[in-house]
Amino acid sequence: QVQLVESGGGVVQPGRSLRLSCAASGLTLNEYGMNWVRQAPGRGLEWVAFISYDGSLQHYVDSVKGRFTISRDDFKNTLFLQMTSLRVDDTAVYYCVKGATKMDFWGQGTLVTVSS
Amino acid sequence: QSALTQPASVSGSPGQSITISCTGSNSDIGTYDHVSWFQQHAGRAPKLMIHDVTNRPSGVSNRFSGSKSGNTASLTISGLQAEDEADYYCSSYTTSATRVFGSGTAVTVL
Repeated sequence: QVQLVESGGGVVQPGRSLRLSCAASGLTLNEYGMNWVRQAPGRGLEWVAFISYDGSLQHYVDSVKGRFTISRDDFKNTLFLQMTSLRVDDTAVYYCVKGATKMDFWGQGTLVTVSS
Repeated sequence: QSALTQPASVSGSPGQSITISCTGSNSDIGTYDHVSWFQQHAGRAPKLMIHDVTNRPSGVSNRFSGSKSGNTASLTISGLQAEDEADYYCSSYTTSATRVFGSGTAVTVL
C-alpha cells in the first residue's frame, strides 16, 4: 500500500528556514518524478516544485526560485523541501505528490505557518 | 505562470450533468495533453479523477469524463450525486516544464 507521510511543518518567523520531509512506503521514490504542491488557507492549489525520477532535473514556481530546494534521499526513500527566507505568503499546507505529469498520489500534507 | 481559469462555482440537481471548464494558453493546455482533474473534499487531500485529458484512474466512477479543445479542457460529471459536492481543480504541464493548477471550482449539488 502506497503511503506518503509529510512532516516538518510548524510555525516559523519570516526570514527563517524550515525543511519538510516526505517519507514514502509502498513505492520507490527514485522510480518516479515527485512534486511539492501547497495550498494556502482557504485558497486553491499551487504547484511548487518537481524533481525527476533520477534527480537530474528540478523545476520551481517563480515565487520560490532561489529560496526553496527540492531533493531526495534514496537510501531513506524520502523527499525533502528545504525552504529558506520564508515569507508570510508561504503559509500553506504542503503536499508531497507522486508523478511527473499524472500526480496520482498525494500525502495528507503538513502545515507551515510563517508569522512573527 | 498564471493559474488556469475555472468558473468559481457550478451547481446542479441530483441526476443532472454539469461541465467545468478550464482555460489556459498555448503554453500549457494548448500544447500538451497532460491535463488532469482533481477532486478535493473539505479538509482532505486532493484526489486524481482524470489524467492526460480523458483517462480515469482505476476506481474512479465512469460518471466523470474529460475532454479538451484548443486551450480549454473540460470535466463533465454525469448523474450528479450528493457525494460529488467538492472543489475541483484542473492542472496542466507547461512549456517551461512546470505545472500549473486552475483557480478551482466549487461544485454544489442542489
